[in-house]
Amino acid sequence: ELKVEQNPLFLSMQEGKNYTIYCNYSTTSDRLYWYRQDPGKSLESLFVLLSNGAVKQEGRLMASLDTKARLSTLHITAAVHDLSATYFCAARYLNFGNEKLTFGTGTRLTIIP
Amino acid sequence: GAVVSQHPSRVICKSGTSVKIECRSLDFQATTMFWYRQFPKQSLMLMATSNEGSKATYEQGVEKDKFLINHASLTLSTLTVTSAHPEDSSFYICSASKRSLSGANVLTFGAGSRLTVL
Repeated sequence: ELKVEQNPLFLSMQEGKNYTIYCNYSTTSDRLYWYRQDPGKSLESLFVLLSNGAVKQEGRLMASLDTKARLSTLHITAAVHDLSATYFCAARYLNFGNEKLTFGTGTRLTIIP
Repeated sequence: GAVVSQHPSRVICKSGTSVKIECRSLDFQATTMFWYRQFPKQSLMLMATSNEGSKATYEQGVEKDKFLINHASLTLSTLTVTSAHPEDSSFYICSASKRSLSGANVLTFGAGSRLTVL
């Protein structure tokens, strides 16, 4: 059974600071997703990481994947208030030919002005 | 872009009634759709995988007679919560799978449906 853990669960940081959210998964997965969720809203896709060593960047967010360590990171550079949200990672697994995702516990990020 | 419409966004019903939630892929065909459930301040839990033209595959612990899923066309899947009870109150989110140019299947999520059972 694929399990996905994120840490920290809660993160409060000041504007302008850098921080990293970690996502560990328990068994082999070749695809890792990052999503953002605002309160009361659905999920917004941020990144899809397809291979070992993959790195993607969008604005102040950068995601990476190390399949050997079963670890993905989401790095926030010079945080701004608009980045306050809950961030989820999700790892892909195949089940009878169907692609499914197991979501991490989520990291609630609060950026303090 | 891929757009998934979910309706209704909010529904309040009395205990014992049934509620239907629709999930539509507006600009692409989705052979597979997924239904998730999210309790407050928790992660998303996969309930079932919906395949067009066949029976849904339910995750362990999800009652298939309680949560009826129908995927009648390539653009529509429905989730019916039958004989709803207060413990069924939750945020239900659907997603549809579309293959991107890179070959990766990208999930697009609906806006979610917040069900409150009184």
